[in-house]
Order: sequence, then structure tokens, then C-alpha cells
Amino acid sequence: KNEVEQSPQNLTAQEGEFITINCSYSVGISALHWLQQHPGGGIVSLFMLSSGKKKHGRLIATINIQEKHSSLHITASHPRDSAVYICATNGDSGGSNYKLTFGKGTLLTVNP
Amino acid sequence: NAGVMQNPRHLVRRRGQEARLRCSPMKGHSHVYWYRQLPEEGLKFMVYLQKENIIDESGMPKERFSAEFPKEGPSILRIQQVVRGDSAAYFCASSPRLALNTGELFFGEGSRLTVL
Repeated sequence: KNEVEQSPQNLTAQEGEFITINCSYSVGISALHWLQQHPGGGIVSLFMLSSGKKKHGRLIATINIQEKHSSLHITASHPRDSAVYICATNGDSGGSNYKLTFGKGTLLTVNP
Repeated sequence: NAGVMQNPRHLVRRRGQEARLRCSPMKGHSHVYWYRQLPEEGLKFMVYLQKENIIDESGMPKERFSAEFPKEGPSILRIQQVVRGDSAAYFCASSPRLALNTGELFFGEGSRLTVL
């Protein structure tokens, strides 16, 4: 059974700081997602990764398949980055990307 | 191009009533997925539908819950005889094709159900 663990659960940073959120999982996967959820809001897909590294603006996501670990980095953090960041994998789902196993999320607060 | 539209955004029901949540996928998307987010818990997959077909309902509770995606109109998640434990945020996502390793999922804003 796939388990997805995120750390930290809560993270508070000052504007401009470099942020790292970690995700580890327990079974082999073919894809991992990073999602963003604003309080009371919808969910936005940030990245889908199967290997290596992806970058979009100030966001960088990396994955190490051998170590079953992924990180989401935010450079030059800003208060508008405050949100819950969710890691999800398709382990145990035969490769389908809809039947994901989700982490519980990391609540990021960036203070001005 | 409008995103995935869900309504209502907030719904309050008393125990025993029915809740109907609607999801209109993005234009051109024929695959719809429903997820539930219980308080203090992660999201969990409920059901995957294509037009007029339920493809995978393995995450749906066996009783009181049903889903459909008719030929015309939005997908509907129906919860009969709601109980307090059904209070949660229900998210819909869509994709233009089966969300295998090639595609992203596009999520809606969610419908937040509160059962009194």
C-alpha cells in the first residue's frame, strides 16, 4: 500500500526566503504531482514529474525515483505563495494519474 | 476557456437530506474525476466517469453515494440521506483524455458540504 508523507506539516517563512517542501512515498510510481490549494479555494496542478527536475517561474520540483523522494522549492518566496502544497503519486494505481494517493499537505505561510 | 466549474461552492444540509453537487468539465474534456477531502485528511479518489459511463467507482462508499455524467449537462455527485461524516470538500477534476502519464488533471474550486 502506497503511503505519501510530506514534511514539514507547517512552514512559516519571511518574504524572500528559499522554501523547501519534501515528499516521500513508499512504492514505485511512474508520476508524482505537486498541487497548490489556497485556503477555502480550489486546487491547482503545479507539476507532474516522472524523473529529474522541472521549473516554472520561481517554483522548482525535483524527484529521485531511486530514493522515492521529491522536493518542491520556492525561490524568493512571497506572501501570495501562502497556501497548502500537496504531493500526490500514482503508486498502486497501475499508472493511472487519476487514482492518486495524496499527502496531507504542507501549510506554507509567508510573512511580509 | 472556462476552467472546471463546480456548484454550489457551499452547501448546507440537515441529516437525512440529499446533497447534489455538480461539475462542468473544461471545454473539450470528456473525463471527470471526483475526490473528497475530509477535514484534517488528504484528498481521496472517489469515482472516474466518462460521458454516460462510470469507469471506476472503487473509491466511492457503497451506500448513499452515486455519480453520473450524462450525455448532456454536468456530472453530478449525489449523496442521499446525508450524515455528519459526509461533511467535506468535494473536488472535481477533468482531463481531455484518460489521465495516464501524459496528462495533468484540472481541478475545480470544490464544493464544501456541511451537514448539520
